[in-house]
Amino acid sequence: GAVVSQHPSRVICKSGTSVKIECRSLDFQATTMFWYRQFPKKSLMLMATSNEGSKATYEQGVEKDKFLINHASLTLSTLTVTSAHPEDSSFYICSASTAFGNQPQHFGDGTRLSIL
Amino acid sequence: DQQVKQNSPSLSVQEGRISILNCDYTNSMFDYFLWYKKYPAEGPTFLISISSIKDKNEDGRFTVFLNKSAKHLSLHIVPSQPGDSAVYFCAASVSSGTYKYIFGTGTRLKVLA
Repeated sequence: GAVVSQHPSRVICKSGTSVKIECRSLDFQATTMFWYRQFPKKSLMLMATSNEGSKATYEQGVEKDKFLINHASLTLSTLTVTSAHPEDSSFYICSASTAFGNQPQHFGDGTRLSIL
Repeated sequence: DQQVKQNSPSLSVQEGRISILNCDYTNSMFDYFLWYKKYPAEGPTFLISISSIKDKNEDGRFTVFLNKSAKHLSLHIVPSQPGDSAVYFCAASVSSGTYKYIFGTGTRLKVLA
């Protein structure tokens, strides 16, 4: 159980393009989803926390107009990287958890974004 | 400010022996800790967790120890297997609000056959 699907797994696109990444919880309802970014050989850095039906909470230093997050249902959250530039190239990972107490976050397999 | 640290970037262990991965934290408000395993180009996979009311939690070959006074936790893998070779991240959170995690920098474990 607790499967999180992230799509696409890899994106290569030109500078200026907007890219949408989907994160779905397949077998449980995720009231909270998290978006992380990982630089090479670095830790996972939390970008934002999204709760179903409400605005995302962004971590300090993360541009909310750059990284648009939508959590429209209990099983789907999307991250849109708007007007992407080469410095946005990274590995983006989502996770999902239920609302009940200390439950482990379950992660998707990540999206490798490369902006040319 | 790195609140969660894994000071060993890599570790090599012989198959069958014990692997010990360490993690230190600075925020005394953290009360829930987890270990995740990650292969390249994949998301982290949950291994084991521990609440601050405990000092040990065991699940099969994996045991996590928590020393609150030292703000230190460790993951023991016994016996180590080649399939355990991966990057291991510890994570810490505060049991309130969004339960967001702060991750350590990871330790790459290589189990030698």
